Amino acid sequence: GQQVMQIPQYQHVQEGEDFTTYCNSSTTLSNIQWYKQRPGGHPVFLIQLVKSGEVKKQKRLTFQFGEAKKNSSLHITATQTTDVGTYFCAGTDYGQNFVFGPGTRLSVLP
Amino acid sequence: EPEVTQTPSHQVTQMGQEVILRCVPISNHLYFYWYRQILGQKVEFLVSFYNNEISEKSEIFDDQFSVERPDGSNFTLKIRSTKLEDSAMYFCASSEHRDSYRNEQFFGPGTRLTVL
Repeated sequence: GQQVMQIPQYQHVQEGEDFTTYCNSSTTLSNIQWYKQRPGGHPVFLIQLVKSGEVKKQKRLTFQFGEAKKNSSLHITATQTTDVGTYFCAGTDYGQNFVFGPGTRLSVLP
Repeated sequence: EPEVTQTPSHQVTQMGQEVILRCVPISNHLYFYWYRQILGQKVEFLVSFYNNEISEKSEIFDDQFSVERPDGSNFTLKIRSTKLEDSAMYFCASSEHRDSYRNEQFFGPGTRLTVL
């Protein structure tokens, strides 16, 4: 079945440093979504990417969808303490299977 | 802003007992989902529901699980005979559309199920 992997599992950064998490799927995806989950909270939708090679920006966050539609990345520029949480990618394949990645837990040290 | 609500926030039950977790999706949404998250682990898809029937279900969603939309607002997850390994946070989610281009899901705050 479809598998979605993310690296790294954990990332500790100093406030102001950049952060990137990578997401890889075992199958080609029709779209990929990114969610953020604060400690003790629930997943909150950030963005959806659909097109091959698509790049979208939300303020300090940059999302990319790979040309082969099997990988994606989320990059945060100049992290802030409010960025703390776990970032999950979630991919939908062409069989409509929807799978979350294991997440990358981000800690930001002030 | 409309939101998904879930009750109770925490449910403690004895192994073997039945539990019903309740969700009220966003009112104009048509697609409903249940997920679970074991503490510190990833979010796992259980089931999706549309037009009063199950659309997809995962391997986790075995015969011990069932879902129902008993009225126009509630969406429930029933676990018939709980096991220790059912202890997890259960999230309900809803989305307005389901096709590939518009299936942003809105998650509820979750119900923490503890099986003793």
